Amino acid sequence: ILNVEQSPQSLHVQEGDSTNFTCSFPSSNFYALHWYRWETAKSPEALFVMTLNGDEKKKGRISATLNTKEGYSYLYIKGSQPEDSATYLCAFGAGNNRKLIWGLGTSLAVNP
Amino acid sequence: DVKVTQSSRYLVKRTGEKVFLECVQDMDHENMFWYRQDPGLGLRLIYFSYDVKMKEKGDIPEGYSVSREKKERFSLILESASTNQTSMYLCASSLGVRKGEYFGPGTRLTVT
Repeated sequence: ILNVEQSPQSLHVQEGDSTNFTCSFPSSNFYALHWYRWETAKSPEALFVMTLNGDEKKKGRISATLNTKEGYSYLYIKGSQPEDSATYLCAFGAGNNRKLIWGLGTSLAVNP
Repeated sequence: DVKVTQSSRYLVKRTGEKVFLECVQDMDHENMFWYRQDPGLGLRLIYFSYDVKMKEKGDIPEGYSVSREKKERFSLILESASTNQTSMYLCASSLGVRKGEYFGPGTRLTVT
């Protein structure tokens, strides 16, 4: 059974704090790792897709790294803002699957 | 931009009614998915389809069926709605696990 785990489950930070979350996934048969951002009352939106070990992606204050050998990815947010409040989902794609395997998400609340 | 649309944002149905949720995507994606999202449970896959008239069960197919007569349209059917099917339903489409999934706005279904 393929399993994707995210930690922590939830996080409360102050505006301006930097934070990071973890996504753990199976290290075998890796094909792709996705990060999504899901705001309340909206649908999930893609942040990054990473396919190679050592990949690093960056979009503004948000960045992500990938280690396929040990099966983890980190998402970093530098200088959190209230508008960063959302649930951050990661999803693992295995080479022999048509569907992604989703983590339960990390819920981030940034207090002004 | 990929556009995934769902027939209703909010729906209220009575126990025992047959319910149809429609999803349409405009990017010629092969794969389409139906998820439900409940607090604390993340995204749970109900059914997916990788081609016209092809379908596969997801993690929680009981009480649901699907129909894909045309490539762009994927319907979720609740044969006899029950109160435990009150949930947010999300449709998604994709070209494959490396490309990621694109989500519709969701349908909040309440069964009374």
